[in-house]
Amino acid sequence: QKEVEQDPGPLSVPEGAIVSLNCTYSNSAFQYFMWYRQYSRKGPELLMYTYSSGNKEDGRFTAQVDKSSKYISLFIRDSQPSDSATYLCAMSPGQIQGAQKLVFGQGTRLTINP
Amino acid sequence: DAGITQSPRHKVTETGTPVTLRCHQTENHRYMYWYRQDPGHGLRLIHYSYGVKDTDKGEVSDGYSVSRSKTEDFLLTLESATSSQTSVYFCAISAYGPNTEAFFGQGTRLTVV
Repeated sequence: QKEVEQDPGPLSVPEGAIVSLNCTYSNSAFQYFMWYRQYSRKGPELLMYTYSSGNKEDGRFTAQVDKSSKYISLFIRDSQPSDSATYLCAMSPGQIQGAQKLVFGQGTRLTINP
Repeated sequence: DAGITQSPRHKVTETGTPVTLRCHQTENHRYMYWYRQDPGHGLRLIHYSYGVKDTDKGEVSDGYSVSRSKTEDFLLTLESATSSQTSVYFCAISAYGPNTEAFFGQGTRLTVV
């Protein structure tokens, strides 16, 4: 069983829809939770960063972490065609020797249709 | 993009040959990482470095070695490439301190035939 599970999709929704992306995990040591966005043939870029449980909002994006359920979510409001990308959740138990050793989900490919 | 350059960007090589991928950064970040990305697996950590000449293994290190002789360069070597090492390889960097972001390079697409 993978430490981090993410539905790979693909997920296709109309423009303006609310998108919900989710990951579950099994390692209770994870404390840092991230969402990366990856456009085709590009490297991942950090979208949201959350420490421990709770919500974090940034514009149209909201990240939620529920450590009791080992479940994290990313919500995208008023989705735009430019949001079409692969979204990867990533987690870390914290810094080891100062390094952030990230464990990634498989990634969800999202398409927003105009 | 953060100052990360991966080279080459694409490479096709034959089974059994050695291959070296290079990651060069201009950010003077202490930590550097090599990940591979495969369908169904997301990104998986191969090796990382926490300083010049200081490296450690990640989740999928078998068949790979790394070296870091300068702060700005982190090399990934496949001693004898196999078809299972066909993948997209990403270098990442991060600074020292809590809550620091990892920045990724553009990736190297490696095909072993």
